This record gives sequence, C-alpha cells and structure tokens, in this order.
Amino acid sequence: RKEVEQDPGPFNVPEGATVAFNCTYSNSASQSFFWYRQDCRKEPKLLMSVYSSGNEDGRFTAQLNRASQYISLLIRDSKLSDSATYLCAVNPRNRKLIWGLGTSLAVNP
Amino acid sequence: GAGVSQSPSNKVTEKGKDVELRCDPISGHTALYWYRQSLGQGLEFLIYFQGNSAPDKSGLPSDRFSAERTGGSVSTLTIQRTQQEDSAVYLCASSRTGAENQPQHFGDGTRLSIL
Repeated sequence: RKEVEQDPGPFNVPEGATVAFNCTYSNSASQSFFWYRQDCRKEPKLLMSVYSSGNEDGRFTAQLNRASQYISLLIRDSKLSDSATYLCAVNPRNRKLIWGLGTSLAVNP
Repeated sequence: GAGVSQSPSNKVTEKGKDVELRCDPISGHTALYWYRQSLGQGLEFLIYFQGNSAPDKSGLPSDRFSAERTGGSVSTLTIQRTQQEDSAVYLCASSRTGAENQPQHFGDGTRLSIL
C-alpha cells in the first residue's frame, strides 16, 4: 500500500458544482497535512494546511479524519479556474513530506 | 526574495554533459528541498537540507546526482554525465523551518531536456 493515495480522476464537473476529493495515508502517526494545487506545467502551490478541527477558506473546506486516516478537500461553487491537479501532502513526523500523485479536476462551462 | 527562485528556467543539453541547477530559497527559510517531476508523474523527492544538519540524500537516484547548500541559503543541484532519463522538471522548495507543520513553497522549476 502506498503511503499516500489519491484517486487520480479525472473529475469532470459543471461550473457551480460541489466536488470533494479524499486522500488516504498509511502512517497513523502523521501530524501535518496539506493540500496543494498544480496547474499544467506549473509548480505546486499551497492551497491550505489541514487542521485537526477542519478549516475553511472561502469556497474550500479541508477536513481530517484520523480514525479512517484520510483528509478531504471540498470545493463549493466550482469555477473554471479551479481546473487543476490537487495534491495532498502528509508529514509522517520525519520532516519529509510524502506526496500523493494528485487528483485531476476539470470544471466545465 | 519574495519567493523561491530557480535558474535556469529551461536547460537543453546533450547526453553526457554535466548540468548545474540553482535554487535561491525564500529569505529566512532554513529548510530546502529538491524534487523532480516527469511529465504527468508525481513529485519525486531528491534531497533535503535543514540548517547545518547533514542533508537527507535518500532520494538521489544515482551517484551522478549531488547537491550542496552554501551558507545555509543558495543550493546547487549537479547532475554529472546526464542521461536521457534525467529529463524532467526539477523543483526546489523551501520552508520556514524543518518542522513538520511548516508548508513548503515551490519555485517555478527548471525544465531539463537531455538530447
């Protein structure tokens, strides 16, 4: 089993839709979690850190489920500009982030 | 600087040549990471520097790859005797400290093409 797993997608959704991605991790001692977005042929950019209590930033909501060992990202009212690959990153306490392969999202007009 | 700066943006070279890639992290960031990413693939960890500690070189794919970080700031990744399979985007990231709750911030990357 990979340390961090994501559904590669692609997820195709219409504008205005709500879409959610999950990212599962295998190391139960992991403490830090992040969501990044990566546009085609660009570098990953931090979208948000994921806090134990869950956190929201505008249309984006991140949650952590420690019992089932996954984090989630919810995007409400999808925009065309949300089309990208969404990467999750998990730190299993050895100071080296473990990256998922990403979930591809395409928001269609 | 305001962000992580990498140079060159693009590098095309012939198989067998040596290349040097440079990374200038965000000012004040003590942790620096090198990754590479092939087209359509995930991030592959190469090496990690934290302050004055010995670097974590566990991701370097072969002894043709080396990196140094002088003065705790700028880092250079060197690939000797390049091979076609070295073609990829090489990404550098920095974080404020090496603490696990610190996110990494990426540079634009160097797109390396080996002919």
